Amino acid sequence: DQQVKQNSPSLSVQEGRISILNCDYTNSMFDYFLWYKKYPAEGPTFLISISSIKDKNEDGRFTVFLNKSAKHLSLHIVPSQPGDSAVYFCAAINAGNNRKLIWGLGTSLAVNP
Amino acid sequence: KAGVTQTPRYLIKTRGQQVTLSCSPISGHRSVSWYQQTPGQGLQFLFEYFSETQRNKGNFPGRFSGRQFSNSRSEMNVSTLELGDSALYLCASSPHNGGISDTQYFGPGTRLTVL
Repeated sequence: DQQVKQNSPSLSVQEGRISILNCDYTNSMFDYFLWYKKYPAEGPTFLISISSIKDKNEDGRFTVFLNKSAKHLSLHIVPSQPGDSAVYFCAAINAGNNRKLIWGLGTSLAVNP
Repeated sequence: KAGVTQTPRYLIKTRGQQVTLSCSPISGHRSVSWYQQTPGQGLQFLFEYFSETQRNKGNFPGRFSGRQFSNSRSEMNVSTLELGDSALYLCASSPHNGGISDTQYFGPGTRLTVL
């Protein structure tokens, strides 16, 4: 059972526009969320995170929004750049299970010049 | 600071063989986690080691095992390899300073192909 779901396997946007990547979760025990970016032949790299006590966290072009009531979070990239083309993973920490990280399946983002 | 290193980067084995993968975490990091990544299943958590003890374990059969040494370096072993074990095996380290923000730093992975 996938507790962290990224329902869009892929997304394509034009350079300069906004990219919105979505993530849904089912476990109310998750209280910390992270986004990772992965290029081919490399391991994932940490991008941005958000605690469940917040509803927004911003870092440069990247903003993560959290809607706890809907168990939904999203990553906004503005403006999108071709170098942002990668697979984006959403992950959640289960504070009630020894802080195990639970991962989504990823969304492949393609930013077209 | 050097990043997480994994050896070997690529490995080809046949069914029934066993394999050992190695991971050296970032200096000062005490927690090491292992993941299996396959196209259809995403990142699947294998286990986490902290101070030479396995602290967390995913839902993998006993053929998958690991250990951590006193210098925090870790190895994982897969015995009696099956075709379905073909995957990218990722190692991640974190400082694990007690905070909830368990940012993990990943190595490049070991690509295992089982023929």
